[in-house]
Amino acid sequence: EIVLTQSPATLSLSPGERATLSCRASQSVSSYVAWYQQKPGQAPRLLIYDTSNRATGIPARFSGSGSGTDFTLTISSLEPEDFAVYYCQHRSSWPLTFGGGTKVEIK
Amino acid sequence: EVQLLESGGGLVQPGGSLGLSCAASGFTFNDYGMSWVRQAPGKGLEWVSALSGSGGRTYYADSVKGRFTISRDNSKNTLYLQMNGLRAEDTSIYYCAKPYRGNGDYWSFDLWGRGTLVTVSS
Repeated sequence: EIVLTQSPATLSLSPGERATLSCRASQSVSSYVAWYQQKPGQAPRLLIYDTSNRATGIPARFSGSGSGTDFTLTISSLEPEDFAVYYCQHRSSWPLTFGGGTKVEIK
Repeated sequence: EVQLLESGGGLVQPGGSLGLSCAASGFTFNDYGMSWVRQAPGKGLEWVSALSGSGGRTYYADSVKGRFTISRDNSKNTLYLQMNGLRAEDTSIYYCAKPYRGNGDYWSFDLWGRGTLVTVSS
């Protein structure tokens, strides 16, 4: 099983600041990493698939990069609605796994 | 409208069984493999199971293998999860989820239901 480790666990930032979230895989997952946003009481929302492709309707301030074992989600300038929990997920092999999540909170 | 709607959750005793359903609408259901993902209260996401568009290939997390069975009825646009031998650690919100692309192994999910809560407790 491929383990995805997200860091930091919590990121305290102010609106307008840049957020950089990390996801590290225990072995190569090629480019098959997705990122999700989840707000309390809501289902996850797909932001990025296959490392760097924004899902339909996702604003351009969200971007993804990386390859192999190290991946990054960047939010260029935080909007009030971006404070949430973010998860990475791989689809490289079975079983699919998710990272433990990074909470982006208001500083 | 493109949506997924889960049902069937509830309270069940340890060792009991429960069946979940997920009704799909707004897309060509049999073009897509489908999956179940769960989330324990206050915890992260855990992938549970998936199956191909035809239903011919199934996949399970080790934590549920041998206890849970995923299936689908393409004539009813419905996905199922039969859960047997339930344990306290199965207590979660169960989401069904659709891959972002059909006709292949594109197992990241762009459509989620609202989820259904399963509570395993005596």
